[in-house]
Amino acid sequence: DADVTQTPRNRITKTGKRIMLECSQTKGHDRMYWYRQDPGLGLQLIYYSFDVKDINKGEISDGYSVSRQAQAKFSLSLESAIPNQTALYFCATSGQGPNTGELFFGEGSRLTVL
Amino acid sequence: LAKTTQPISMDSYEGQEVNITCSHNNIATNDYITWYQQFPSQGPRFIIQGYKTKVTNEVASLFIPADRKSSTLGLPRVSLSDTAVYYCLDTNAGKSTFGDGTTLTVKP
Repeated sequence: DADVTQTPRNRITKTGKRIMLECSQTKGHDRMYWYRQDPGLGLQLIYYSFDVKDINKGEISDGYSVSRQAQAKFSLSLESAIPNQTALYFCATSGQGPNTGELFFGEGSRLTVL
Repeated sequence: LAKTTQPISMDSYEGQEVNITCSHNNIATNDYITWYQQFPSQGPRFIIQGYKTKVTNEVASLFIPADRKSSTLGLPRVSLSDTAVYYCLDTNAGKSTFGDGTTLTVKP
């Protein structure tokens, strides 16, 4: 089983719908992240959380919200999806300390907004 | 958030050594430099990490000069399966930000 699991893996929805992408991890890490990747481009940080009570905005948080339900779970929500949110979304985790650059990624959730 | 700069693309041939350089103009004192590899429709995969000087593991080397404003990823004897996008990353106060990546194409 994967250490970082994302659900759903693929989702097609319509403009204005609410969408939730879920992430769970078995690595015991405190730090979790949500990234977005548009075709042919790099990853952009949406939100990150350093522990259950900590939520921080990343580069492109507008139009998104997150919930850290437990150490192992970090969900990303699109309250009212729009077509330019069509992208591949990745969840990641990392440990504490200076080596927080070592991220462990899920397999991605491909979202299409029509 | 800190942003790195790297070449958009590079070509190489099987068996050659490849060096990809990244600029880290806003790196903080306590940040580490990390490189990732990404294949299409997959999450990035950790390659190597360092703070300064040179680090080597079973797949790559990483050279960081004393001023830490750049880093160079070394891939020895590349194969076709090394065709991928390579990202350099500096972690700023715990926030991990990716650059735009270098697409490496290895030709037969």
